[in-house]
Amino acid sequence: EDQVTQSPEALRLQEGESSSLNCSYTVSGLRGLFWYRQDPGKGPEFLFTLYSAGEEKEKERLKATLTKKESFLHITAPKPEDSATYLCAVPLTDKLIFGTGTRLQVFP
Amino acid sequence: DTAVSQTPKYLVTQMGNDKSIKCEQNLGHDTMYWYKQDSKKFLKIMFSYNNKELIINETVPNRFSPKSPDKAHLNLHINSLELGDSAVYFCASSHFRPRDRAAKLFFGSGTQLSVL
Repeated sequence: EDQVTQSPEALRLQEGESSSLNCSYTVSGLRGLFWYRQDPGKGPEFLFTLYSAGEEKEKERLKATLTKKESFLHITAPKPEDSATYLCAVPLTDKLIFGTGTRLQVFP
Repeated sequence: DTAVSQTPKYLVTQMGNDKSIKCEQNLGHDTMYWYKQDSKKFLKIMFSYNNKELIINETVPNRFSPKSPDKAHLNLHINSLELGDSAVYFCASSHFRPRDRAAKLFFGSGTQLSVL
């Protein structure tokens, strides 16, 4: 069955403590993988698209990487403002299938 | 200017009532979506329209009826509301259909529906 799984479900970090979020997928014939950030009370906001294994994208303290089976969102020296839910998603025919998300909290 | 706007932001209603949520996008996109997000933050697609044509209709009770009067608008009408319909409903749009090209979705800020 095609699915997208994210881990951990929740992550608490001290400010400056780097870590990684994981997104595993079983969709065959991957046509892209998306990362979104969602703040409380708001809609998901686009971060990155990755298209092929080995590809990397960076934005400020975030770096997304892609392999044939999973993607990682690396957060380097996070700040409290990085606290949010991070969602990954993959296209399946005409749908974008989302993972269950990782809720990140960064404490000062 | 808000790219994808949906109204209302909050909707509190009694079981059995009928309600509508409206969505408009000013991005010139061809494809629009309704997603439902449950209390565990899981986003699940409900419907998708491309150029006013319904292209995705997931297993959703037929009490939910989408309507796209034009490419820029997609509304969601819900009949006979039930307690289990309580969730956050998101409208989104994309320039391309996901099957044609990896489509980047732009989301509205959501409508929090509470059925009492």
